[in-house]
Amino acid sequence: DSGVTQTPKHLITATGQRVTLRCSPRSGDLSVYWYQQSLDQGLQFLIQYYNGEERAKGNILERFSAQQFPDLHSELNLSSLELGDSALYFCASSVGWEGAYEQYFGPGTRLTVT
Amino acid sequence: DAKTTQPNSMESNEEEPVHLPCNHSTISGTDYIHWYRQLPSQGPEYVIHGLTSNVNNRMASLAIAEDRKSSTLILHRATLRDAAVYYCILRPSNSNSGYALNFGKGTSLLVTP
Repeated sequence: DSGVTQTPKHLITATGQRVTLRCSPRSGDLSVYWYQQSLDQGLQFLIQYYNGEERAKGNILERFSAQQFPDLHSELNLSSLELGDSALYFCASSVGWEGAYEQYFGPGTRLTVT
Repeated sequence: DAKTTQPNSMESNEEEPVHLPCNHSTISGTDYIHWYRQLPSQGPEYVIHGLTSNVNNRMASLAIAEDRKSSTLILHRATLRDAAVYYCILRPSNSNSGYALNFGKGTSLLVTP
């Protein structure tokens, strides 16, 4: 158990819909990262927050957004869902943002868009 | 970002040591070498990381070449539970663009009884 929790574990929804994925980082970790893993793309970085502020963006679509709240949990919002958004979404956390710090991953949310 | 090169797959017998290589010839002096693994149907798992010196923890050892252009993850006694995809990733110690992990294809380790 990494100490990072993600809800829900599974999500099935239809195209065009909007969903929210939630992540609670390990106690004491200030940085949260979101990653997407699909069969054909591997693990792709989406976005990073540190202590409530956006720190870096990766291959995140405009239909996707995220935020980190004062209690440090984070939410990833996916809207106007398409079939291609079906994937595993992982959240990770770390104490700091520099390269010296390791990241701890949650169990993921499996999103299926039908 | 500096890139890493790993073999696509490796095979090991249970209870034998496993040496997983990683080449990173363009590594910069401030890049940390991180290793993660992903077991089937699970999230990635941190294994070990280092900068210049060899590192040991309860999961594995990391041997870093003197010129830092390559490194080796050592599993001292492979178990069936070690069957996973292993990723070698470089992370800068200072960056203005964040410190996300850049996962490549990794090495798929098969452990046979």
